[in-house]
Amino acid sequence: QVTLRESGPALVKPTQTLTLTCTVSGFSLSTSGMRVNWIRQPPGKALEWLARIDWDDDKFYSISLKTRLTISKDTSKNQVVLTMTNMDPVDTATYYCARVRLDGGAAEFDYWGQGTLVTVSS
Amino acid sequence: QSALTQPRSVSGSPGQSVTLSCSGTSSAVGSYIYVSWYQQHPGKAPKLMIYDVDKRPSGVPDRFSGSKSGNTASLTISGLQAEDEADYYCCSYSGTVVFGGGTKLTVL
Repeated sequence: QVTLRESGPALVKPTQTLTLTCTVSGFSLSTSGMRVNWIRQPPGKALEWLARIDWDDDKFYSISLKTRLTISKDTSKNQVVLTMTNMDPVDTATYYCARVRLDGGAAEFDYWGQGTLVTVSS
Repeated sequence: QSALTQPRSVSGSPGQSVTLSCSGTSSAVGSYIYVSWYQQHPGKAPKLMIYDVDKRPSGVPDRFSGSKSGNTASLTISGLQAEDEADYYCCSYSGTVVFGGGTKLTVL
């Protein structure tokens, strides 16, 4: 059974760095073709793709947020970690991790975590 | 501001068919086959409903179908049911992943 679970702080202060962890089960991050993404959704707004890391450690970032994001993985722990620097209230959102469908296109996410709400406020 | 444009809201009565559109530039949707659609109920994670323009994952009812013509992708829901009321997002790839702004489907 494939599952993804996000974890991290519910509240961060402006200018702080956010670190989120996605713990996966039911598949291996090192399996050829495996790709895990971070996607966020501000309250009442649309989904926004943030970053992706592939089985071979290739990394891809949103152009608009590239300078603030770092994605990494720890295969032994089955975890994908996203850090976002210089947090601002506009970054308040539910953050999801999602897996790309194996052998699928980059925009086909077949499994999602339940999401974690991060509020940025002083 | 999304590169994929979706109507903000669509409504239909139970049993009817509705079509949700997703319009993009020629670089998104138009030339890339990996158009997908997601259903999201309030407070829940999105669920993949259609991938590769017109393919349904296992478990998705065949009432849901996808298509594409030129720069516009469409999701059609036939035999509308109350549980279909949700937000729907299209998604594609144009050098980066892009989502549409979402359509709120109301079942009257």
